[in-house]
Amino acid sequence: DGGITQSPKYLFRKEGQNVTLSCEQNLNHDAMYWYRQDPGQGLRLIYYSQIVNDFQKGDIAEGYSVSREKKESFPLTVTSAQKNPTAFYLCASSTKGYCFGEAFFGQGTRLTVV
Amino acid sequence: AQSVTQLGSHVSVSEGALVLLRCNYSSSVPPYLFWYVQYPNQGLQLLLKYTSAATLVKGINGFEAEFKKSETSFHLTKPSAHMSDAAEYFCAVVPPGTDKLIFGTGTRLQVFP
Repeated sequence: DGGITQSPKYLFRKEGQNVTLSCEQNLNHDAMYWYRQDPGQGLRLIYYSQIVNDFQKGDIAEGYSVSREKKESFPLTVTSAQKNPTAFYLCASSTKGYCFGEAFFGQGTRLTVV
Repeated sequence: AQSVTQLGSHVSVSEGALVLLRCNYSSSVPPYLFWYVQYPNQGLQLLLKYTSAATLVKGINGFEAEFKKSETSFHLTKPSAHMSDAAEYFCAVVPPGTDKLIFGTGTRLQVFP
């Protein structure tokens, strides 16, 4: 079945650690996105990528990094510079053209700082 | 910057009543507009989209939305609420000339028996 997979579902991070969230899609989509979701704030765009080896900062990129070495994969690293990383992280992918914006979402990763 | 505003962070209706969730966008040029639904601890699922083909858009689960350029609105409606409609609903926009998908702050819908 085609879809988008995020792992792990739950992740715990100690202060000062970097952690990487995985996002893989087999939909042959060009565009991939990372969002952060906090209660009452909706989804805020962290990074997005329209093509392999290229990505752009979203509205809240500070303290995060990404790579896009393969079309299928768009991992997100939460660095120690991110001071308040506890949140629900959602990855999405979308095709280009007319259907752009019809994003498919993963099930999310809940990150907690301990 | 282009954005969407969702009026009302919480909406409560009785089962069988009309559902109306409000969304306004800020742009002089109509963007692509979307409604997504999120169930607890899940990702988002597309309900419907507007891409300038028709102003009244029908989606899944009996939802529909009407694009009104004069009001810069794209409100989501359903004639008769069902208990299973209880979820969080997000309006989203792709601003003209960009490749970003921007979301509103969401509206949580509660349905009472």
